[in-house]
Amino acid sequence: DTAVSQTPKYLVTQMGNDKSIKCEQNLGHDTMYWYKQDSKKFLKIMFSYNNKELIINETVPNRFSPKSPDKAHLNLHINSLELGDSAVYFCASSQVWSHSPQMGSNEQFFGPGTRLTVL
Amino acid sequence: AQKITQTQPGMFVQEKEAVTLDCTYDTSDPSYGLFWYKQPSSGEMIFLIYQGSYDQQNATEGRYSLNFQKARKSANLVISASQLGDSAMYFCAMRGDTGFQKLVFGTGTRLLVSP
Repeated sequence: DTAVSQTPKYLVTQMGNDKSIKCEQNLGHDTMYWYKQDSKKFLKIMFSYNNKELIINETVPNRFSPKSPDKAHLNLHINSLELGDSAVYFCASSQVWSHSPQMGSNEQFFGPGTRLTVL
Repeated sequence: AQKITQTQPGMFVQEKEAVTLDCTYDTSDPSYGLFWYKQPSSGEMIFLIYQGSYDQQNATEGRYSLNFQKARKSANLVISASQLGDSAMYFCAMRGDTGFQKLVFGTGTRLLVSP
């Protein structure tokens, strides 16, 4: 049973197109995230949702729009794709959301990643 | 704001030997958590170990241990008895009081284990 799944695994598309990446977690977690890993392997948070509510939006272009239909799903829609959007996009989830980091590890479980290539 | 620094872009170790991967951090948050993740060539991110800033003891998980030195703001990962399957990218990450649970990652260290 896959804990955090993403579809598709690979996405190749032309500049200017609109595409979506889907993420689902079956862990019963409250919080979900999108991270972007660039060509130099650097990982950076993009968005976070807690119980379908947006709580982190890290200066990401408006072309990126996350949507959480329920707390088990967090999708990422990208409009007008640009060459610089080529990256691996990871979805992640964690059990609870709290201001306090002293709540145990509450580690984030990552999906397998979606490699997006914009031509 | 939080910052993670991993100064070793690549490390080599022989099978069965121990290796230390360095991580230093910077934060003004009074409490925080430190994580290590492994990314093998297949691409997935695997959680390895966690250390809370108020934890009295250094964290251990099997062959992984975290050498936490709070005064030096370092959280080095020690892998004992390296195995060929340990060859991967390793990322240190931090979660602070501010930032709503987001993880801030370092640039990673690529570990290569040779027979």
